[in-house]
Amino acid sequence: GQQLNQSPQSMFIQEGEDVSMNCTSSSIFNTWLWYKQEPGEGPVLLIALYKAGELTSNGRLTAQFGITRKDSFLNISASIPSDVGIYFCAGDNYGQNFVFGPGTRLSVLP
Amino acid sequence: DAGVIQSPRHEVTEMGQEVTLRCKPISGHNSLFWYRQTMMRGLELLIYFNNNVPIDDSGMPEDRFSAKMPNASFSTLKIQPSEPRDSAVYFCASTNDYRETQYFGPGTRLLVL
Repeated sequence: GQQLNQSPQSMFIQEGEDVSMNCTSSSIFNTWLWYKQEPGEGPVLLIALYKAGELTSNGRLTAQFGITRKDSFLNISASIPSDVGIYFCAGDNYGQNFVFGPGTRLSVLP
Repeated sequence: DAGVIQSPRHEVTEMGQEVTLRCKPISGHNSLFWYRQTMMRGLELLIYFNNNVPIDDSGMPEDRFSAKMPNASFSTLKIQPSEPRDSAVYFCASTNDYRETQYFGPGTRLLVL
């Protein structure tokens, strides 16, 4: 089946720094999604992208749907301790072939 | 709204025992998903119900796993017999038709000894 790759696998940053992570696929998706999972909880949707080239923001988070439809990135500006967690990308094709990436584990050092 | 409710939150059992995980979706949602999360394999979709009917069970690992949704407010995932490799966090999620807006429950952490 389709698989997603996320990089980096993990990152340690200082509070206040900006963060950038990305997600790539060998196949095209029509929807890209970014989720955050905190310890002991289920994933929570952060941003959904529906159109190639689309750039969407949610507070300090910004995500873009790649022009090729095979990638997406997520940026977090001015990181804070509560940004800690695992960030998952997910791809979807109109409800078919929904798949999660392996996640990027973010640690924020005070 | 209470959100998606899963029980138990933690389960420890011995190999060979039957395990039943329970999920109550958000009221009014008509789609329900069961996922398994492990360090090695990440988040895997096991089965997807729409209007209580199983639509896609291609992710169910083997015959030891079964899932039911007898009504719109309740679903179970059963493992019989359980094996140590089934140890994982099992999530239930629900939504109203749009898969991207799935709401996840807190998960059941299963340990099979």
